[in-house]
Amino acid sequence: KNEVEQSPQNLTAQEGEFITINCSYSVGISALHWLQQHPGGGIVSLFMLSSGKKKHGRLIATINIQEKHSSLHITASHPRDSAVYICAGNTDKLIFGTGTRLQVFP
Amino acid sequence: GAGVSQSPRYKVTKRGQDVTLRCDPISSHATLYWYQQALGQGPEFLTYFNYEAQPDKSGLPSDRFSAERPEGSISTLTIQRTEQRDSAMYRCASSFSTGGETQYFGPGTRLLVL
Repeated sequence: KNEVEQSPQNLTAQEGEFITINCSYSVGISALHWLQQHPGGGIVSLFMLSSGKKKHGRLIATINIQEKHSSLHITASHPRDSAVYICAGNTDKLIFGTGTRLQVFP
Repeated sequence: GAGVSQSPRYKVTKRGQDVTLRCDPISSHATLYWYQQALGQGPEFLTYFNYEAQPDKSGLPSDRFSAERPEGSISTLTIQRTEQRDSAMYRCASSFSTGGETQYFGPGTRLLVL
């Protein structure tokens, strides 16, 4: 059983829609990363959080420590947001979720 | 350097050959990670270094895989006697330290074993 579970696996949306991707993790993970992998393969770190909420532009990440759950929200989605979004739990290494493939259509 | 760099970006090799992949982390970063990402899959942890120490190599899939970081900066990942199942993207990342720091990923080396 993976220590980091992510849902949904695939997500399609129309431009402008509000998007939520969920991540649940197990005990022993001290921080949660959200990563974005573009179709070209590059990985970009979006957020690292261990409590509360962070916002960057149209992206918002929240984490609930008690429930061991994090969400990534994209407001006013755009086709350029199309990518694979990966959550990863931090122990002394990163344990990756399976990723969510997001496609935003115009 | 300004970011994490890896070389080569692409490597095609014949089964049975040895390959060495290189990672050059951000210069101020103590911690360096290696990940393997199969096509269509998420990254999988291989090993990491704190300076030149290698506290965890539990993710290395077999004893054909080894990694070094002898001076605590540049790291190499060597795969001996490559097999077709070793074909994957190999990614390196670095962070200032362990314990929840943001990791900065390199562009990866795509390895194809024929």
